Amino acid sequence: KQEVTQIPAALSVPEGENLVLNCSFTDSAIYNLQWFRQDPGKGLTSLLLIQSSQREQTSGRLNASLDKSSGRSTLYIAASQPGDSATYLCAVSDDYKLSFGAGTTVTVRA
Amino acid sequence: DARVTQTPRHKVTEMGQEVTMRCQPILGHNTVFWYRQTMMQGLELLAYFRNRAPLDDSGMPKDRFSAEMPDATLATLKIQPSEPRDSAVYFCASDQSGSTVTGELFFGEGSRLTVL
Repeated sequence: KQEVTQIPAALSVPEGENLVLNCSFTDSAIYNLQWFRQDPGKGLTSLLLIQSSQREQTSGRLNASLDKSSGRSTLYIAASQPGDSATYLCAVSDDYKLSFGAGTTVTVRA
Repeated sequence: DARVTQTPRHKVTEMGQEVTMRCQPILGHNTVFWYRQTMMQGLELLAYFRNRAPLDDSGMPKDRFSAEMPDATLATLKIQPSEPRDSAVYFCASDQSGSTVTGELFFGEGSRLTVL
């Protein structure tokens, strides 16, 4: 059974600092990995989707890397802003089933 | 602005009552998922439909939960009878996978269920 772990569980940084969020998974036989953002009381919003053949994906200030062999992904958020405060979840796909991590709750202090 | 629509957003009910949650996936998306989110368990997959056919409902308690997709624009999740332990946020998500592999998932805003 796929286990997805996100460390740390919570993170607080001053505005402008770069964020580094970690995700690890136990079974490297994945099809893709997605990073999501969840605001309180809201659904999940997909940020980046990395196919298993890719090493990274970038969107604006966000960059996600994938090292499938070691079972790790990292989400980098450059120059953090208070609006980046949210919970970030990673999920790995083996066929149709997504296995989610518990998330990292980020607070960016103004 | 294409989005997944869920109703109701909030539901408070008493133990033993029937609860029905509805989801309208994004037009053209051929796969629909039902997830449940709790503080203790995180996000759990309850059911999965592709082209309206149920492909996996192994995450659902079969004695009380049922999921259907009567047409391409409506998915339903029913709990009968409801119990306090069913209190959670239930999410519907859809994607446009061309194969069996999950693509980018689009989530609804969720239905927050409280069973007293």
